Amino acid sequence: EAQVTQNPRYLITVTGKKLTVTCSQNMNHEYMSWYRQDPGLGLRQIYYSMNVEVTDKGDVPEGYKVSRKEKRNFPLILESPSPNQTSLYFCASSPPNRNEQFFGPGTRLTVL
Amino acid sequence: AQKITQTQPGMFVQEKEAVTLDCTYDTSDQSYGLFWYKQPSSGEMIFLIYQGSYDEQNATEGRYSLNFQKARKSANLVISASQLGDSAMYFCAMREAFSTSGTYKYIFGTGTRLKVLA
Repeated sequence: EAQVTQNPRYLITVTGKKLTVTCSQNMNHEYMSWYRQDPGLGLRQIYYSMNVEVTDKGDVPEGYKVSRKEKRNFPLILESPSPNQTSLYFCASSPPNRNEQFFGPGTRLTVL
Repeated sequence: AQKITQTQPGMFVQEKEAVTLDCTYDTSDQSYGLFWYKQPSSGEMIFLIYQGSYDEQNATEGRYSLNFQKARKSANLVISASQLGDSAMYFCAMREAFSTSGTYKYIFGTGTRLKVLA
């Protein structure tokens, strides 16, 4: 089944404890992206990647890192999480010459 | 700066009636794409419809149509014959034009929560 997977789906952690949210797609898509969704703010793009080893900042990159060493994987890294990073996170991918993004199921992160 | 505005935080519609969800955008680019996504209470993001800035005809996908008015920079979603399952949050989004390096970003609006009444 063609899909975007994220792990974990739910995570409660404490301030300063490094964490990684994984994202993987099995559709050979080139474009991958991370978003955070907050009430009243919609979705905001954190980082995106056009292809392997090509990443760029979205609108809210502060406090996040990403890497794209393989085409299928695009992990989101929080080196030192803070409570203002409590949010619902979505990973998405899209192929070239197609218009829609395919979204993962979301990861709900709580930082205490 | 590029921006998507959805001015209706919440809307109600009677089952089987049509409803229009508003979306305006701000861009100086000539080439861009406009999207609508649905997010039910279960949380997943579902792609509904796409309109390219050069498309002359309004996009349609089943009961969904996009009323694209380029001069007014609006891209309203029209849902015909509303169903109870249409109750969800709806997001308008824009894909920016390709940059000189070939990259592009997406911008989302804040969403409209639609409730369909039986």
